[in-house]
Amino acid sequence: DAGVIQSPRHEVTEMGQEVTLRCKPISGHNSLFWYRQTMMRGLELLIYFNNNVPIDDSGMPEDRFSAKMPNASFSTLKIQPSEPRDSAVYFCASSLLENIQYFGAGTRLSVL
Amino acid sequence: AQRVTQPEKLLSVFKGAPVELKCNYSYSGSPELFWYVQYSRQRLQLLLRHISRESIKGFTADLNKGETSFHLKKPFAQEEDSAMYYCALSNFGNEKLTFGTGTRLTIIP
Repeated sequence: DAGVIQSPRHEVTEMGQEVTLRCKPISGHNSLFWYRQTMMRGLELLIYFNNNVPIDDSGMPEDRFSAKMPNASFSTLKIQPSEPRDSAVYFCASSLLENIQYFGAGTRLSVL
Repeated sequence: AQRVTQPEKLLSVFKGAPVELKCNYSYSGSPELFWYVQYSRQRLQLLLRHISRESIKGFTADLNKGETSFHLKKPFAQEEDSAMYYCALSNFGNEKLTFGTGTRLTIIP
């Protein structure tokens, strides 16, 4: 298995544009997590899904952020409209048992 | 609310010297503690968890409920230990992880 796959690896966009980040979890895993990493705040959980259902979205910063998981093998995190303060590395992780999460390589987002 | 504190953003240690990365937590329930590590150009990955009680790459961590700490230790640092280390907490039976802000460990040759 290639592990958790995220795309794109890098995204540069202008303020106000829509940004969509994609994640493919490890096959067979039933939980998926979206995190944001910044220098100041470290790793913050944005939202997580279990069996494709959003369980906790309390970390989603505001209505500009939305996440979907239409099936067990795909999830998206969308920011619309994007702002410079959204610049960060966004990680996706998946897990099956025992709270052990497997992380993707991340998407580095720069909003100009 | 659960919280994880890693007081050191940066830590530099000479090769061969002991390493201790501090982690304190606040949580009223029954916590499960983890250390995750991110080596240069690699993905964040699990290093160890307190219920396993094992040593990974020479690292150990003991859960001290009295001091609410889960410090990561290694008696003799190696250059390949240079990485970003995150302490994390979850409640047993709950998958949600709360991470600390991380400590960047640099081993000086």
